[in-house]
Order: sequence, then C-alpha cells, then structure tokens
Amino acid sequence: GAGVSQSPSNKVTEKGKDVELRCDPISGHTALYWYRQSLGQGLEFLIYFQGNSAPDKSGLPSDRFSAERTGGSVSTLTIQRTQQEDSAVYLCASSFVLSGTGGLTEAFFGQGTRLTVV
Amino acid sequence: LAKTTQPISMDSYEGQEVNITCSHNNIATNDYITWYQQFPSQGPRFIIQGYKTKVTNEVASLFIPADRKSSTLSLPRVSLSDTAVYYCLVGDGSTGGFKTIFGAGTRLFVKA
Repeated sequence: GAGVSQSPSNKVTEKGKDVELRCDPISGHTALYWYRQSLGQGLEFLIYFQGNSAPDKSGLPSDRFSAERTGGSVSTLTIQRTQQEDSAVYLCASSFVLSGTGGLTEAFFGQGTRLTVV
Repeated sequence: LAKTTQPISMDSYEGQEVNITCSHNNIATNDYITWYQQFPSQGPRFIIQGYKTKVTNEVASLFIPADRKSSTLSLPRVSLSDTAVYYCLVGDGSTGGFKTIFGAGTRLFVKA
C-alpha cells in the first residue's frame, strides 16, 4: 500500500485478555516504531526496529508488552493480560534510516489502533 | 537526546500568522530540528525540517538562530483546518532520532 497500515482500527477487549496489534510499514522502510498515545497526551515511545539489528525495547512499560517484526516488514505488538491503563491509541511509524548524520528522515505514521480495555 | 520545551497551547484567528517557538538548549552538533502536525484521530505527519538559518516549504517556515538553542515554526495565514497539535523534535538519523518522546506538543486553536 501507499502508506502505513494498522489493524484493527479499534479494539475493545476485556481486562486480562491478550491483544495483538498489527502494523504494515511502507515497503522498503527499514525503521519501524511503535508509540502509545493516551487521550490528550503526547506520543510515548515503545519500541524501535531497524533492519536486522536487535530492537530497542527501552520504551516498553512492562513485560506484558512485546513486539516482533517478521522478515523486516510487518510488525505485531502484543499486550498480554491487558489492564485498563493500557487503553490508548497505539501508533506505528516507519521510515528510511540515513547513514551517518544526514538528519532525521521523514517518519510516516499509520492511523493508529484505538485500544479500549473494559 | 535533546529535550524540547514548547508552549502547551496557543490561540489564533483565521488569516493570522502563527509562530510557535521550541527551546532545545542541549541540542547536539549532529541534531536536526523537525516539526510534526497531528490532527485528531490521525497519526502525526511531517511538516518541515532544518539544521540552521531558515527553511521554507509550501506549508511553513522554520527559523533557527545561529546558536540553534531554539527554533520557531511559522504558519502563514492560518485557517480553521490548521487547528492541530504541533510537535518539535530534535535528533539525528544515526541515533534513531524518532525514539525522542514527542511530548505534549503545542495545541493550536484557530478561531473564525
């Protein structure tokens, strides 16, 4: 597709259930980011994938959160045993990564998945 | 990663020029300054990026003084559709600059 695609667009789940959120990045983009955005707040970095390097998981809030990126393309963010405080919009972004110090490349964001834990 | 400080909110009227200033006192030599715009229920989208002096595109201008410790996003003749949150980011590609926490950004309200 032409842009970053996320699915589902909305997800309502019961507390304690596991959920999987999917991100299809723009073809050829080697960098992929997951963010979480609570209502009225900024974006909270969760995890960063770059090519075949080990992902940067420094933003994951707990061990209930995990993510993988298969074949350098599609990524899945998994939240186990969901809690009400996990309710937020989860945004995925992808970009090229310039080598050296060429500045930030443009990151393209998906529309997000709105997760509601009831 | 350089920390940024922006006003929480700003109000304007249609047709006015809006200037949003971002402070980044500990910006590194290799860091670029990038601004993103986010409409409700959408992901952020790129507006403009610069390293020094002035950058202009069809949407906005970015003014960066010589010391690079601040930057100003200028939106000419805003319309109601420019109501959005504007984020200032500082970083460079070699360090995964987008790991930068976007922060709360600046909420711009454009009134008729």
